[in-house]
Parts: sequence; structure tokens; C-alpha cells
Amino acid sequence: AQSVSQHNHHVILSEAASLELGCNYSYGGTVNLFWYVQYPGQHLQLLLKYFSGDPLVKGIKGFEAEFIKSKFSFNLRKPSVQWSDTAEYFCAVNPSYNTDKLIFGTGTRLQVFP
Amino acid sequence: DTAVSQTPKYLVTQMGNDKSIKCEQNLGHDTMYWYKQDSKKFLKIMFSYNNKELIINETVPNRFSPKSPDKAHLNLHINSLELGDSAVYFCASSQRRGGPYNEQFFGPGTRLTVL
Repeated sequence: AQSVSQHNHHVILSEAASLELGCNYSYGGTVNLFWYVQYPGQHLQLLLKYFSGDPLVKGIKGFEAEFIKSKFSFNLRKPSVQWSDTAEYFCAVNPSYNTDKLIFGTGTRLQVFP
Repeated sequence: DTAVSQTPKYLVTQMGNDKSIKCEQNLGHDTMYWYKQDSKKFLKIMFSYNNKELIINETVPNRFSPKSPDKAHLNLHINSLELGDSAVYFCASSQRRGGPYNEQFFGPGTRLTVL
């Protein structure tokens, strides 16, 4: 079965630190890729997405992600985090063999301290 | 003007009961989904409907039955609730099936607690 791995389960940072959250997937074919964020007590919101074209994707709130096909990775980055970035971050993959389906990673909990 | 709404937000019930969760989207989307988020925050798809037609039915006990009266609504009925059903259930919708249209918009979730 296809899977999505987020190896950082819990990340703790101080404000202004740089962030990189890892995401790897196991499917070798064409994929669409997403990062969602879930702020405490809220629903999931889309941060950014990749379908095709430039592998460096910019999203909302200063986040970006880079698709590296050879590494099956789609890591999320932000150069300087804020306290308000404290949330759960989910990577999701939509494989071409079943484009109706989003397969989510297990999430990374980010805590940012002032 | 909520895009995807769910009711109720919280649901506490006894084992063995039957309960329903309702979902409505006002985005004009064709496709709707139900996800279960467990205590470890892992999100797994349960069902998906496209224009009232079931298109995804993951390995879910048949105590769970989705119903889509129209393409703006997807309800989830659960029979004979068990302790393991305790979770947060999220409804989502996307413009159409698949590919670039599969950007999903999520509802606020329903926290189900089975005692």
C-alpha cells in the first residue's frame, strides 16, 4: 500500500528559527502533493499544493515546499517561524492510480515558543 | 458563509447507540468525503461521494453508512457505536474528482466520544 512518511513527529522551535518538515511518499508514479495545517482546535487548511511545473511551490503565510522527484520528497520550509505557526502539519499525496484519494502522513506537531 | 459545515461539533454517547453526523458544503462542489482522525492525529479517508454516487469506500465496518441526499450534503450514520469509534470525524469537499480538482476543503470536525 502507498504511504506517506513524516519523520518529524514533534518539532520545537523558538521564534525566528528556520523550519523544515520532511515528507516522503512511497509511490513511483505521478503524484499531486499537498501540505495542510491544523491550528489548535480548528479544521485543516491548505498551505500549498503541487500539481506540475516549478518544483518549488510557494504557499500562504510564508511557507514553501520543494518537490524532489528523485527523492520522493516534498519538504515544507519557512525561513522564520512565528508563535502563531504552532500547529499540526500534514503532508498528503494524491497518486495518479487513484486521483480521488488523498493519502495523509501522520502529521508533525510544531510548537513555537516566543 | 461557512464553506463546509458539520453538526454536531461534539457528540458524547454510550456504546451500542446509533448516531448521525451531518455535513453540508455551499461551495458548489461535486465531491464530498468523510475522514476519521484518531487520537494520534492520523487522518484516514473513509468514504467519498461524487454527485451522490459512492466512489471510495475504504475498509470501514458496515456499521458506518454514508448517505448523500444531494451533492451538497453527505451524512454519516453509525450503528452500534463502539469505544474504538471515538475520534474526530472530518467532512471535506472538492470541486470535482481527482487530480488538480482534488484540493479538499475541510469542515470543522465532529469530536465523537463513546463511553
